[in-house]
Amino acid sequence: QQQVKQSPQSLIVQKGGIPIINCAYENTAFDYFPWYQQFPGKGPALLIAIRPDVSEKKEGRFTISFNKSAKQFSLHIMDSQPGDSATYFCAALAFYWGKLQFGAGTQVVVTP
Amino acid sequence: GAVVSQHPSRVICKSGTSVKIECRSLDFQATTMFWYRQFPKQSLMLMATSNEGSKATYEQGVEKDKFLINHASLTLSTLTVTSAHPEDSSFYICSARVRSYEQYFGPGTRLTVT
Repeated sequence: QQQVKQSPQSLIVQKGGIPIINCAYENTAFDYFPWYQQFPGKGPALLIAIRPDVSEKKEGRFTISFNKSAKQFSLHIMDSQPGDSATYFCAALAFYWGKLQFGAGTQVVVTP
Repeated sequence: GAVVSQHPSRVICKSGTSVKIECRSLDFQATTMFWYRQFPKQSLMLMATSNEGSKATYEQGVEKDKFLINHASLTLSTLTVTSAHPEDSSFYICSARVRSYEQYFGPGTRLTVT
């Protein structure tokens, strides 16, 4: 039973477009929500993370939107570039438990 | 961000042999490290939590006698796949926890068992 549901499974956007990836969770004990970027054959890299007391966070071209009441959060990649083509994983963590719960992943392809 | 290394990056071994994978935190001390495996086009699956100076905690369904984990120092955790079989072929990734929440991942180790 996946505790974090991620969608879509894959998406294709043109350069400059804004891919949006959505995640939903049920466990209200989660209090840390990171996003990871993974290129083929590489380990995941921490992109950006948010705590539930904040509704939005921006770091460069990456923005997380967080809706605590709906138990949903999303990643927006502004002005996407072909180099952003990768698999993106959302995750959630409860401090007392300490283990990341990952979504299934979204493969993003940005065409030139 | 914090840097985590893994060695080797790729390993091919014969069925029945054992393989050791090292995970090091390069610029920080990590009391807790994690080991994951990842199959093609799938998400990361947590195998075990490694705490420095104590026994590892394994996730349900992971054989502790097959996947031996040792966290002997604050910068090194090792995963030994014992008596490897072709079904153990996978991408193994470690991570280290920095502060209360952040986890940084290593580059992964591709294990192929022939």
